[in-house]
Formats: sequence, structure tokens, C-alpha cells
Amino acid sequence: GQQLNQSPQSMFIQEGEDVSMNCTSSSIFNTWLWYKQDPGEGPVLLIALYKAGELTSNGRLTAQFGITRKDSFLNISASIPSDVGIYFCAGQGYSTLTFGKGTMLLVSP
Amino acid sequence: GAVVSQHPSRVICKSGTSVKIECRSLDFQATTMFWYRQFPKQSLMLMATSNEGSKATYEQGVEKDKFLINHASLTLSTLTVTSAHPEDSSFYICSAWTGNYGYTFGSGTRLTVV
Repeated sequence: GQQLNQSPQSMFIQEGEDVSMNCTSSSIFNTWLWYKQDPGEGPVLLIALYKAGELTSNGRLTAQFGITRKDSFLNISASIPSDVGIYFCAGQGYSTLTFGKGTMLLVSP
Repeated sequence: GAVVSQHPSRVICKSGTSVKIECRSLDFQATTMFWYRQFPKQSLMLMATSNEGSKATYEQGVEKDKFLINHASLTLSTLTVTSAHPEDSSFYICSAWTGNYGYTFGSGTRLTVV
């Protein structure tokens, strides 16, 4: 089956720092999605990418859909304490999502 | 728009009993909903795809008689964990395809079987 490799597994940063995380896949996806999950909650969509090479921003978040359609990265600029959570990439094939293993982000004030 | 409501948020049940989890689309119709299971510090694993008016499609390794899914209307899918055991304790999350808003997730259900 399809697998997504997400890295890093966790990050502990200072408030104000920029953060970058990425996902790679063994196969092609039509859509890449980035979600954030707070403890005890369901994932919330941050950014959706639909075209290879697409670069999309949502506030302090920027994500790109790799040219090969097998990878994507998410950048968070000027991190704040409320950015704490687990970030998941997800690749969408025909109708279902395949999730990466997540990146836990901790931000110290 | 495109809100998915999941209930209950937490449930504790005795071993051997059954538990029903509801997933509702509040402001749209969802012909397809998805049920995921998430263990602590793990990713979301798709259990089954729920199709309105027809049988659910289960992922490999998921027991369909253990995890009963009913999608009787365009706004409601239910997951029933039958004869629950402690190893069924987990975080269960539903999701629906909303069209313009993509996949929207419920807030999850923490099941603890004692």
C-alpha cells in the first residue's frame, strides 16, 4: 500500500522561530493536504494543494506540492505558542486519504 | 460551512458491551463518510468507508462484524464497536467528503474499555 514518510517526528523550538516539515511518498498523489491536530480533537485542514509545483500560503503557513507529485513541505513562520500540536500530511488518491505519521511541534514562549 | 459533528466525545464501557459512535454532517449531505482509528502518538488509520444506503467497505484487517457501520441517511453514519475489549480502546474519528471544503473531520471519540 501507499506509504508517507513524514519528518521530522518532533520539534521543540522557541517562539518566533520558523519551522519546516516535509512528506515524501513512494507513489504519486493527486492532492496533498496538511492538517493540524490538537490533543483530543480531530484534524483540522490547514492547506490543500491540488497541482504539482503549487505553492500556497495561509497566513504564516506556506506549503508546496512537489513537482514529482511525491512530496510536499509545510513551513510555519514566526511560530507562536498556539502552533503547538501534531501536524499531519495526507495524500489523496482516488477517494481516500493516506496520512503521514505526524510531526509533533512544541513551542516554548 | 461543512461541519461534522461526532458524539460522544468520550465513553467508558465495560468489557463485553457494545458502544455506538455517531457522526453527523450538519450543513451538507454526505454520501460517503470515513472512519479512522488513532492510537496514542500514532497516525490516523482508515478503518472503513461508509456509503449511504449500501454496505461499508472495510480496510484489510478490520473485522466487519466487530466494527458495525450503518449509513442509513445522508447526514448520519454510525460505528458500533461490538463486544468491546480493552484492546479496542482508542481514539475513533469520522470524516466526510464535503466537496468544496474537502475532507472535514469530526472531533473524535475517546473509547476506553475497562
